Amino acid sequence: DIQMTQSPSSLSASIGDRVTITCQASQDISNSLNWYQQRPGKAPRLVIYDASNLEPGLASRFSGSGSGTDFTFTISSLQPEDIATYYCQQYENLPLTFGGGTKVEIK
Amino acid sequence: QVHLVESGGGAVQPGRSLRLSCAASGFTFSGYGMHWVRQAPGKGLEWVAVISYDGSNKNYADSVKGRFTISRDNSKNTLDLQMSSLRGEDTAVYYCSRSANYYYYGMDVWGQGTTVTVSS
Repeated sequence: DIQMTQSPSSLSASIGDRVTITCQASQDISNSLNWYQQRPGKAPRLVIYDASNLEPGLASRFSGSGSGTDFTFTISSLQPEDIATYYCQQYENLPLTFGGGTKVEIK
Repeated sequence: QVHLVESGGGAVQPGRSLRLSCAASGFTFSGYGMHWVRQAPGKGLEWVAVISYDGSNKNYADSVKGRFTISRDNSKNTLDLQMSSLRGEDTAVYYCSRSANYYYYGMDVWGQGTTVTVSS
């Protein structure tokens, strides 16, 4: 199974700050990686697909980069509505696997 | 508008069975693979199972293999998860989600979830 190691597990930042989350795969997954946002009490929502593509309709402050084993998710200017837990997920191989999540809070 | 609506959750005793359903609308259901993903209380996301667009291919997480069965009815636009020999560790919110292609891929649409509680 491919292990997805996400860090940090939580972070606290101010409104307007740049926020960066990393995700490392235990083996090469090319660009087969998604990022999801899960607001408290809600279902997950796709934010970034194929490692770097923004889901249509979402704010351009969200971005993703990376390929192979190392990936980054960035919020360029944190907004109050971005408070959520973010998960990376690989779909290169079955079983599909998620990172442990990063809880983003406002400082 | 693309919608997925889960149902069938509830409280059940260990060792018993439960069947979850997911009703799809707003897209050509028969053209997409479908997943079940679960989330235990206070925990992260765990992929459970996937079924291809035509039902010919299925795959399961080791934690549920042999106990859970995923199926679909493309004539009714529904996805099911038959869960048997339930354990306490199966307690979770269960989400159905659409795969972004005909079999396994990332999930681009999610339902609101249905809660399963396994307890004596």
